[in-house]
Amino acid sequence: AQKVTQAQTEISVVEKEDVTLDCVYETRDTTYYLFWYKQPPSGELVFLIRRNSFDEQNEISGRYSWNFQKSTSSFNFTITASQVVDSAVYFCALSEASDDYKLSFGAGTTVTVRA
Amino acid sequence: ETGVTQTPRHLVMGMTNKKSLKCEQHLGHNAMYWYKQSAKKPLELMFVYSLEERVENNSVPSRFSPECPNSSHLFLHLHTLQPEDSALYLCASSPRGRRETQYFGPGTRLLVL
Repeated sequence: AQKVTQAQTEISVVEKEDVTLDCVYETRDTTYYLFWYKQPPSGELVFLIRRNSFDEQNEISGRYSWNFQKSTSSFNFTITASQVVDSAVYFCALSEASDDYKLSFGAGTTVTVRA
Repeated sequence: ETGVTQTPRHLVMGMTNKKSLKCEQHLGHNAMYWYKQSAKKPLELMFVYSLEERVENNSVPSRFSPECPNSSHLFLHLHTLQPEDSALYLCASSPRGRRETQYFGPGTRLLVL
């Protein structure tokens, strides 16, 4: 079963619009970690954020913000005032205490920001 | 060099060839990973090494053979591959491994003819 679901396959926005990427996860562990990565056309996955299951505070980093809600098993990512350089594939991932080394990735959401 | 580097960045090989992918991390990490990223599929974890010992092997065909001579270097030896093995192969590293952030290299884009 898919542990991380990113229901949005592709999102296209015009520059300066906000865009929110959904991530829903599934786990029976009480201790787990959630991640977001960005994959630009060059291919490298760039780490954006890591959040543990005990920290539900929302986080903001520049134009990026994350909304973690355990009640709905969601870890959504918002890009505010999008720019062309934000065009990439964004992956949400889950690491569970019961599987030390494995990162379960969602299928990714392709974001295209048009000038 | 900084971060995680991978060579070559692109590789075209025939089904009877033998080639190797190289990964090097300059982060002082102790765990290294190989992932396969195929079109329209989630990233698949292939192998994990922690302190040069293989700790995970996710039912990968034997035509893929990993090697970790030290904690900074990781190889993926390829032989008699199939066209469906064409993909982006990503290497990653993390400080110790367990549930930590993994840092990725740029990948090797492999085409098997």
